[in-house]
Amino acid sequence: GESVGLHLPTLSVQEGDNSIINCAYSNSASDYFIWYKQESGKGPQFIIDIRSNMDKRQGQRVTVLLNKTVKHLSLQIAATQPGDSAVYFCAENYSGAGSYQLTFGKGTKLSVIP
Amino acid sequence: GAGVSQTPSNKVTEKGKYVELRCDPISGHTALYWYRQSLGQGPEFLIYFQGTGAADDSGLPNDRFFAVRPEGSVSTLKIQRTERGDSAVYLCASSSLDRGTNSPLHFGNGTRLTVT
Repeated sequence: GESVGLHLPTLSVQEGDNSIINCAYSNSASDYFIWYKQESGKGPQFIIDIRSNMDKRQGQRVTVLLNKTVKHLSLQIAATQPGDSAVYFCAENYSGAGSYQLTFGKGTKLSVIP
Repeated sequence: GAGVSQTPSNKVTEKGKYVELRCDPISGHTALYWYRQSLGQGPEFLIYFQGTGAADDSGLPNDRFFAVRPEGSVSTLKIQRTERGDSAVYLCASSSLDRGTNSPLHFGNGTRLTVT
């Protein structure tokens, strides 16, 4: 099928190394952020979220860092595995607008080299 | 447990025809969202339901697009007089949203719509 990762920025990482995927978000009032993983032909899969009152949150093999000063979000994946190969999207929401829609970034394609 | 289910997975239609796309959210999730994803892009918001009512339909591109959720569970996205530019993957998501608190959206695998 068609690749969701066509024409996206690509990050190539050796298996076992750590990956860092970066995202610049647009709305300084955004107070909720999520990272999603999307494999070809599938919907986005939730990885980890963080609220604006935090600057770091850890999950299983993943860490999200939030820098509100420069509107920057990053996703760190430890010991990257071939199954981590996918397109990764950051998404933001400003709940004060009265809506819980997410605004997605453009995505980064992660390729893991075995 | 069952995730968000979308049917059909693929739909090919001719320009000018009417289509309906169905979404079955995760049981108990009160919030339901429709997004559209074009090739190489992130999902774009279309509409959000809280229960039976459309709480935010600001993302619907024009009046050819309409969505309903009559019983607060299953939702149908309806597109009239389809155009080739409507071709995309239509994603549905649901969340256990409590008012005033964000929670993650859980997505289905989408319906790939192709208008010929």
